[in-house]
Amino acid sequence: DAGVTQSPTHLIKTRGQQVTLRCSPKSGHDTVSWYQQALGQGPQFIFQYYEEEERQRGNFPDRFSGHQFPNYSSELNVNALLLGDSALYLCASRRTAVYEQYFGPGTRLTVT
Amino acid sequence: DAKTTQPTSMDCAEGRAANLPCNHSTISGNEYVYWYRQIHSQGPQYIIHGLKNNETNEMASLIITEDRKSSTLILPHATLRDTAVYYCIALGSARQLTFGSGTQLTVLP
Repeated sequence: DAGVTQSPTHLIKTRGQQVTLRCSPKSGHDTVSWYQQALGQGPQFIFQYYEEEERQRGNFPDRFSGHQFPNYSSELNVNALLLGDSALYLCASRRTAVYEQYFGPGTRLTVT
Repeated sequence: DAKTTQPTSMDCAEGRAANLPCNHSTISGNEYVYWYRQIHSQGPQYIIHGLKNNETNEMASLIITEDRKSSTLILPHATLRDTAVYYCIALGSARQLTFGSGTQLTVLP
């Protein structure tokens, strides 16, 4: 049983560019959340998707957007990249009625 | 969700029990205590959770005080692979994990 998978593993982008990160949830999970983790800090909640809709959102600007597909996989899009967007981006999945989340290995984004 | 307070760092000898404390004095009655850990450069890993009773699984034990204002995560026989940042989280109806800075546990040989 595959766990949460994310792609790509690493990514380097230039300021002003746009990026798309991808996540496949653990089998049987239908709810996906995204987190940003800056170096030396704990993960910060970006948003959560369920039934292809954004259900909750953390304190992140509209440059951060997402999508969930019918197979429950998800994408995180970041527009107009800033140097401060450099971080580890984590995807987590769970079943709706369960609080326990399973995290993927993350995508390391570097903005130069 | 209630704020939690944890020591910044702790050391533990290999083979000994590691006891990681967490204060959550403002926790409400419907908030669970969750513990996750994050080994360097990996995604966080779920360890255990509880509401008011003590809990045990194959990884750890969770002891919650009767007034629920604090808890302790116990790794009964720490190994070098348990070196990680441990996060204590009070999880309520919002169902979103709010991570603090956690405790860096270093298991020493």
